[in-house]
Amino acid sequence: GAGVSQTPSNKVTEKGKYVELRCDPISGHTALYWYRQSLGQGPEFLIYFQGTGAADDSGLPNDRFFAVRPEGSVSTLKIQRTERGDSAVYLCASASGRPPETQYFGPGTRLLVL
Amino acid sequence: DQQVKQNSPSLSVQEGRISILNCDYTNSMFDYFLWYKKYPAEGPTFLISISSIKDKNEDGRFTVFLNKSAKHLSLHIVPSQPGDSAVYFCAASSAGRDDKIIFGKGTRLHILP
Repeated sequence: GAGVSQTPSNKVTEKGKYVELRCDPISGHTALYWYRQSLGQGPEFLIYFQGTGAADDSGLPNDRFFAVRPEGSVSTLKIQRTERGDSAVYLCASASGRPPETQYFGPGTRLLVL
Repeated sequence: DQQVKQNSPSLSVQEGRISILNCDYTNSMFDYFLWYKKYPAEGPTFLISISSIKDKNEDGRFTVFLNKSAKHLSLHIVPSQPGDSAVYFCAASSAGRDDKIIFGKGTRLHILP
């Protein structure tokens, strides 16, 4: 079956602009995670959804970052007033439940803020 | 403050030999540990996991060892194959208490012909 997909695969934007990153999880997976991976680092947790609700958003770095999952499937990560430090690969993962259920990752969106 | 540490940024191993990747953690609440493998331009792929109630888990060429007293785990790959060249991430969670998975920085494994 289809895995986790993320669009766009690459996004270049200018400092101060707004961006939206989309994640399509594996069908039927109730859990959805967003991570950010900077160069030379491992994935860093941002937010976790169980169904439509954000169960844990403690990893969001500041209020410029927001994510939604209105119908419990597709999720959108929104970044306002982008800064150069936001440049990273944004990874989405889905799972059939909470840990220790295996998380399946998408290929990521590479965001570059100029 | 890194809770999951992979102190070797890279490792080179001859094809056919054993690859040993190491990982240390600081949070004693972690009770579930995972290894992910990542190729360039792809997302991480789950490889193998171990619960804290075990000290070893084996899956084909991959074995993970857990030493709770030392807060240390290792991934053994034997025999190493060219397709094993990738970045390997160690990760940990407090399954059932916390929904986060904490990742290390990764170790880049090069399998030499």
